[in-house]
Amino acid sequence: DAGVIQSPRHEVTEMGQEVTLRCKPISGHNSLFWYRQTMMRGLELLIYFNNNVPIDDSGMPEDRFSAKMPNASFSTLKIQPSEPRDSAVYFCASSSETGLSPLHFGNGTRLTVT
Amino acid sequence: SQQGEEDPQALSIQEGENATMNCSYKTSINNLQWYRQNSGRGLVHLILIRSNEREKHSGRLRVTLDTSKKSSSLLITASRAADTASYFCATDASSGAGKSTFGDGTTLTVKP
Repeated sequence: DAGVIQSPRHEVTEMGQEVTLRCKPISGHNSLFWYRQTMMRGLELLIYFNNNVPIDDSGMPEDRFSAKMPNASFSTLKIQPSEPRDSAVYFCASSSETGLSPLHFGNGTRLTVT
Repeated sequence: SQQGEEDPQALSIQEGENATMNCSYKTSINNLQWYRQNSGRGLVHLILIRSNEREKHSGRLRVTLDTSKKSSSLLITASRAADTASYFCATDASSGAGKSTFGDGTTLTVKP
């Protein structure tokens, strides 16, 4: 099993640009989570999906952030327009049974907005 | 604010010693999980303990859960330099519909 795959690993962009982060969950997992990690705020849950449906997006900071899961094997997190305060490591995680099984994390995308 | 809070924030020990990290949380939970994160990598699941369990073992890891005190501890016995990492607890609140909330982590350094 290849694990959760995220791309790109690093992204450097200028303020105002659109950024798209991608995630491929583990095959067979029906829950997918997007987290953001910073030194100041730690690990924050942004949004999670169950069976491709968004269940809770209360952690999404503002309307500049959007997430989609068009099918069971792919999800995107988009920031438009990006701002320097969005700089963080963004993690995608998946699990086989929401609330009952552990999360499997990807290696993250380190986003730097200048 | 985060559901779980780890203590201490940082811990430095010699190889072979035991390391104990604590986690406190605020609301009723379904389960509590411990994760490890090496620098520049994603979190790796270590152990999950359900709310009706009091202790769980996995290799050199021992986790306890006290729901009356809303706290958990992670003990790593006979530590190795390779155990150097950040350790996080995560809670699935009873009312949280399956989302895990993470604490700020304990950074463990094991000196060879």
